[in-house]
Amino acid sequence: NAGVTQTPKFRILKIGQSMTLQCAQDMNHNYMYWYRQDPGMGLKLIYYSVGAGITDKGEVPNGYNVSRSTTEDFPLRLELAAPSQTSVYFCASSRQGAWQFFGPGTRLTVL
Amino acid sequence: AQSVTQPDIHITVSEGASLELRCNYSYGATPYLFWYVQSPGQGLQLLLKYFSGDTLVQGIKGFEAEFKRSQSSFNLRKPSVHWSDAAEYFCAVRRKGGADGLTFGKGTHLIIQP
Repeated sequence: NAGVTQTPKFRILKIGQSMTLQCAQDMNHNYMYWYRQDPGMGLKLIYYSVGAGITDKGEVPNGYNVSRSTTEDFPLRLELAAPSQTSVYFCASSRQGAWQFFGPGTRLTVL
Repeated sequence: AQSVTQPDIHITVSEGASLELRCNYSYGATPYLFWYVQSPGQGLQLLLKYFSGDTLVQGIKGFEAEFKRSQSSFNLRKPSVHWSDAAEYFCAVRRKGGADGLTFGKGTHLIIQP
């Protein structure tokens, strides 16, 4: 199993551009999550999903959108990128909302 | 609202010495409790978890943690650290029975002295 995979690993965006961070898992987990990690801070939840077609906001959802059309994939969309969205983004998945498996992260810089 | 406090931002320990990382949580009821480790440039790896039952839980890499309900604490311990234990350690909690995500502490950066 590849576990949780994320692409790209690194990305630099200009202010106002948009992009999609990809996340996929091959463990048949029903729950998936997006977090952001800022320096000196723990991870904060952006959005989560309990299954295909079902998503919900986390603690810091503003400026982001998600969709979940399949069990495997949970992309995160940034519209109109802002410097405040410079962060490391982690995707995670779990079965029955128990412990979460994390991907390797995407480091995003908005200039 | 729930919160997790890791009071030590940095801890320096000599190789071979014992380690204790502190974690306190604020929650309406006893949540699920986790410790994760993050090596530089990597994702998070689960060290151990507490759901219920025995309050002393064993994890990977020789780590253990003790849940103390009266102190709302879940401290992580290791009897003898190795240089490879240098990393960032995160305590996290999650509501029992829910699907929402983890609430993390800010992390403790562990430095190992030779």
